[in-house]
Amino acid sequence: DTEVTQTPKHLVMGMTNKKSLKCEQHMGHRAMYWYKQKAKKPPELMFVYSYEKLSINESVPSRFSPECPNSSLLNLHLHALQPEDSALYLCASSQEGIRQDTNYGYTFGSGTRLTVV
Amino acid sequence: RKEVEQDPGPFNVPEGATVAFNCTYSNSASQSFFWYRQDCRKEPKLLMSVYSSGNEDGRFTAQLNRASQYISLLIRDSKLSDSATYLCVVTPPAVMNTGFQKLVFGTGTRLLVSP
Repeated sequence: DTEVTQTPKHLVMGMTNKKSLKCEQHMGHRAMYWYKQKAKKPPELMFVYSYEKLSINESVPSRFSPECPNSSLLNLHLHALQPEDSALYLCASSQEGIRQDTNYGYTFGSGTRLTVV
Repeated sequence: RKEVEQDPGPFNVPEGATVAFNCTYSNSASQSFFWYRQDCRKEPKLLMSVYSSGNEDGRFTAQLNRASQYISLLIRDSKLSDSATYLCVVTPPAVMNTGFQKLVFGTGTRLLVSP
């Protein structure tokens, strides 16, 4: 199993709604990531979990709240979002390691396309 | 200055052409380098890693010049299916020896291959 599965694939939510994005991998990867990609822009890192602990928060507004219930699951809880938060949210996972020239099996999910109305 | 810079294109080429993309990065301590491909409304997928000695995978050749902080991708005999956005990706040094790496993406170069 070499996949990262994200649900839902599409989500439309109002600015007062609370919703969650889910990500699952069964590759034994111990690092999991959330990226945000706006239209015609590259992906930008939001959060990194390493061994189920939050290791990096790239100054993301508190209306985005990540959670890592176990080594296979990563959630992103959304509350009081703004229309400018509409984007493709990508989850990724990788093996751990700091050796050069290796991808560490970095794998992206197909993303959740979020529209905030 | 952006961490990773690319010409956004688009590069419009006919089938069978050879096309080259370039990328520069600002952090001289960057550890690893990759080219990713992203199709419209899809996730990025690893095309190839870029090694200091240069490496080739079929029609694709990647080169790294650490002294100039420059990465290139050459595509020979372009196919219609090569049409996509090509993202140059760099990993800065691992943070606090935590063992994971974040990917820093360039803006991407769009390639359109026409019949």
